Amino acid sequence: GAGVSQSPSNKVTEKGKDVELRCDPISGHTALYWYRQSLGQGLEFLIYFQGNSAPDKSGLPSDRFSAERTGGSVSTLTIQRTQQEDSAVYLCASSLLPVWGTNEKLFFGSGTQLSVL
Amino acid sequence: AQSVTQLGSHVSVSEGALVLLRCNYSSSVPPYLFWYVQYPNQGLQLLLKYTTGATLVKGINGFEAEFKKSETSFHLTKPSAHMSDAAEYFCAVSVRGSQGNLIFGKGTKLSVKP
Repeated sequence: GAGVSQSPSNKVTEKGKDVELRCDPISGHTALYWYRQSLGQGLEFLIYFQGNSAPDKSGLPSDRFSAERTGGSVSTLTIQRTQQEDSAVYLCASSLLPVWGTNEKLFFGSGTQLSVL
Repeated sequence: AQSVTQLGSHVSVSEGALVLLRCNYSSSVPPYLFWYVQYPNQGLQLLLKYTTGATLVKGINGFEAEFKKSETSFHLTKPSAHMSDAAEYFCAVSVRGSQGNLIFGKGTKLSVKP
C-alpha cells in the first residue's frame, strides 16, 4: 500500500475484554515498530520486529501485551484483559531497513485510539 | 540500554524568536539521533537525523541540531520561530547492535505566540 495502515482507527472496549490491533506496513519494509502514545508519556516503545530476527519485546508493559508478525508483513498487537490504563493511541511504524541508514526513516500509521471503559 | 531525556514538556516562544528544544541521551555506544515532529492532527514525520559525519545536521523547515558527544546532547534549534512550527517534537535514539530499535523521549510541545 501507499502507507502504513492501522485498523481499527478507534476501538472502545470494556474493562477485562481482549482486543486486537492490526498494522499493515509498507510493502517490503523489514522493520516494524509498535508504540503507545498517551498524555504525559510521549511515545512509549512497545515492541520491534526486524526481518527474521527475534523481536525486541523489552517495551511491553506486562504479560497481557503480545504481538506477532506473520510472514514478515502484517502485525497484530493483542492486549488481554484490558485495563483503563491501557487507554491510549497505539501507533505502528515501519522502515525499509534499520533506521541508522542514511536515507532511512520511520513511516508512521495514523494509529488506533483505544478507549477502555 | 539507551534512553532519551527531553527537558521541558512545554516550550512557548514568540514568533520570530529563537527556538531551542533540549534533548540529552544515554548510550554506552555511539548513538544515532533523530528528531521527529507531530503537527496537530497529523502523524509523526522525520525532521532530521544524525548517523555519522558532520555533527551539525540540517533538517526541514529551517531546523537544525548539533550532536555534542561531550555533553551527550542533540538539541534542536531554529533561529526564528514561525506560527506553523507549533507542534510536538520528539527526540529519539537508536544504537547499532540493538537491531535498530528506536527509543523516543516524552516529547516537547512547542507553542508559538503572535
